[in-house]
This record gives sequence, structure tokens and C-alpha cells, in this order.
Amino acid sequence: DVKVTQSSRYLVKRTGEKVFLECVQDMDHENMFWYRQDPGLGLRLIYFSYDVKMKEKGDIPEGYSVSREKKERFSLILESASTNQTSMYLCASSLDPSGPNTGELFFGEGSRLTVL
Amino acid sequence: DQQVKQNSPSLSVQEGRISILNCDYTNSMFDYFLWYKKYPAEGPTFLISISSIKDKNEDGRFTVFLNKSAKHLSLHIVPSQPGDSAVYFCAASGENAGNMLTFGGGTRLMVKP
Repeated sequence: DVKVTQSSRYLVKRTGEKVFLECVQDMDHENMFWYRQDPGLGLRLIYFSYDVKMKEKGDIPEGYSVSREKKERFSLILESASTNQTSMYLCASSLDPSGPNTGELFFGEGSRLTVL
Repeated sequence: DQQVKQNSPSLSVQEGRISILNCDYTNSMFDYFLWYKKYPAEGPTFLISISSIKDKNEDGRFTVFLNKSAKHLSLHIVPSQPGDSAVYFCAASGENAGNMLTFGGGTRLMVKP
């Protein structure tokens, strides 16, 4: 089974702190994604990566950056956390090298971040 | 402007009855549609999908219907079971829409015993 592991399930940070969210997948997937989930808004794409050291902006990249130094690991960075970044963050991976058009994304369990 | 909309934030159904979850989209470039299911404190898991060349896809108790002219799809669960209680997300993608999945806001389904 594909496993996507997010290092922190729950985090509480203060405004202005730097936050790292780590994600590791064990199925040699090319593509990795970071989403945030907010009530009524569904899942919104922050950043994605098709390959090591490659990154592309999603729909809501402002206030975030990412790093993909190894194929299995994709990190989301909040340089200076703000209260409007309080959310559930979901990492996902997929195999299709041309993107997720054939469907299936494999998600981690999520990281719930609270910024005070 | 949300390109994929699930207008019902919640739905309550009696065990054994049919659950119908609806989804509307606006981007005519979408040609592939998926449903994901999410339990609390877990990540979403893939449930069922449909390509725009079909109007129906069935997998056990789950059937997805696609009406391209109306830009509408629905997920039917028959019979509904308490274990189906979860949040269901509709998602869409298309080769000419950047290949990224666009998700709806989700519908919380509660199946009462």
C-alpha cells in the first residue's frame, strides 16, 4: 500500500514563527502536492512538484514556499506564520508523470496547524 | 470563483436508503471527475471516478453519474451504511485545464442507524 506520512499531526505556533511541515511518500511517486482544507472551501492547492528540485505554484501559494530535495520528501514552509494560515494541511502524491489526470492522489493524514 | 461546487454542505440519510451527493462544475475543459471520501483525522481516500466519455460508472454500492450538458455529476450510495458517514469531495481535472485536480467544498454525509 502507498503510504504518505506527514511528520506532525498537530502544531500550535505563534504569529511570525517559521513553520516546517514535512511529508514523505514511500512509493517512488513522481508528483507531490500540498493542499490546505478549510470548511466550505474544500481542498485548495498550494504548491506541487513534478520532480526533484522542481516546484510549481498552485492556486494559493502566497505566504508559502516548498522544498523538494529528494524524490520521496516534499516540505511546506511558512516563512512567517499568520493567523489566516490556521488550517488543515494535506500532502499528497501521485504516480502519473503527466499529472493527476488519471485520478488517484494518495493523501497523508493531515497536519492541523493553529497559529495564535 | 469556485469551478467545482457542492451546494449541500451536509446530508442526513437513514441506514439502508439511498444517499445522493451532487456536484456542479463550470469549466467545460474538465474531462475527468473523481470522488474522495474523508473521515475525521484522516486524509481523503479515492472512491470512484468517471471520464467524460461515459455517463455512468459503478463500483459496488457506489455509482457516479455524469451529465455533461448540465455540467453536473452525482454520487449515489445504495444502500447507505453508518460507516459511509464522512465528508465527500468532488474533484475535476482536464488535460486542457492544467491537469490539476480542482476540488469542491465537500458534503458531510451522516447515515443514521
